[in-house]
Amino acid sequence: ETGVTQTPRHLVMGMTNKKSLKCEQHLGHNAMYWYKQSAKKPLELMFVYSLEERVENNSVPSRFSPECPNSSHLFLHLHTLQPEDSALYLCASSQFRASGNEQFFGPGTRLTVL
Amino acid sequence: AQSVTQLGSHVSVSEGALVLLRCNYSSSVPPYLFWYVQYPNQGLQLLLKYTSAATLVKGINGFEAEFKKSETSFHLTKPSAHMSDAAEYFCAVMNSGNTGKLIFGQGTTLQVKP
Repeated sequence: ETGVTQTPRHLVMGMTNKKSLKCEQHLGHNAMYWYKQSAKKPLELMFVYSLEERVENNSVPSRFSPECPNSSHLFLHLHTLQPEDSALYLCASSQFRASGNEQFFGPGTRLTVL
Repeated sequence: AQSVTQLGSHVSVSEGALVLLRCNYSSSVPPYLFWYVQYPNQGLQLLLKYTSAATLVKGINGFEAEFKKSETSFHLTKPSAHMSDAAEYFCAVMNSGNTGKLIFGQGTTLQVKP
């Protein structure tokens, strides 16, 4: 595997389900990010982890719970979601505090909440 | 606060014509600027980035962008559009002294007509 991978690619869940999204980066980076991409809205940064420590949480509802067990893996745990949470969830990684270093994105998980 | 404005949510050009996608930014410190492209059902891929070196930046797939501080602009151009260029394009800004946080514009969908 190379780059940033995300599983599953597609997920359909009911509002009472609990599921998790997984992201893995194979680039040796030390920072990982979760973004939400909804139709007709700019990408929204949800969480930032650097060296496995959460450094940013952009007022995301508690029904989204991130976990970063090591610098290569990032999870987004989902529970009691709402239909408006349906979106493309993108994971990215970068080298933290390396000025101007770009973020590398995974292919995303398309989430549909019924 | 930083912000990015992409003028025109949809741009349509004929194959072989000039592509011009507009991006204006707002930043209180010298910024880093990025253009990403997103093809259907995929994540974001970096096209090019400006990190305070040359103001004219060349990227992949024949794209380039020019940083104009006086106009706070970073427009993306390509001399001759190809059908494969049809995608969504995102401009993003990052502060030079920050933690790697990217602020994205709302995106521009490029349509290429045969």
